[in-house]
Amino acid sequence: DAGITQSPRHKVTETGTPVTLRCHQTENHRYMYWYRQDPGHGLRLIHYSYGVKDTDKGEVSDGYSVSRSKTEDFLLTLESATSSQTSVYFCAISGGGRLSTDTQYFGPGTRLTVL
Amino acid sequence: AQSVSQHNHHVILSEAASLELGCNYSYGGTVNLFWYVQYPGQHLQLLLKYFSGDPLVKGIKGFEAEFIKSKFSFNLRKPSVQWSDTAEYFCAVTPNSGGYQKVTFGTGTKLQVIP
Repeated sequence: DAGITQSPRHKVTETGTPVTLRCHQTENHRYMYWYRQDPGHGLRLIHYSYGVKDTDKGEVSDGYSVSRSKTEDFLLTLESATSSQTSVYFCAISGGGRLSTDTQYFGPGTRLTVL
Repeated sequence: AQSVSQHNHHVILSEAASLELGCNYSYGGTVNLFWYVQYPGQHLQLLLKYFSGDPLVKGIKGFEAEFIKSKFSFNLRKPSVQWSDTAEYFCAVTPNSGGYQKVTFGTGTKLQVIP
């Protein structure tokens, strides 16, 4: 299994509060990704990172920001959570290390509920 | 931009039945193709992948997929399903260009296997 952890695994929060999700990898992979998974939509890319301090937007980036200060950590922040951001969030990694370089590997996910 | 279509949203089979899940993609260049499986409450796991070579790819747990370039298809098959195959299956495609991969996922097919 890929060495990817996400924290927290479950979170319930209220509308308008800031929320930060963390993804941590031990594989020294260059690329890291944040997806959200919603019924009927599959997985949609929120943001990705191609190196320390190098990030870019995905297809559903509005309302989200990210930071990557170290190779192993990729943070996703909801500045002011809304009910539409209730979802399951998955982190993924790719690009180097002991795992196949051309495949994305996924973390266990974070279930976020915004009331 | 690439896209992926999974035409079957929900499939119900009895144990020992044969399985074929459809996946079609659109992209003008060379692609890498993937099937991921997500068991209830778990993260996505790689089932199999195609990068090049033999278009018939064998994966874990008896699954296989065939890449038919002329039909832009990458259908997943298993000759005899088990109850433990109950899961959601995602087809994914990415341009075969290395580096950062914009992976596009299908919306998923939920497979329910009845004992």
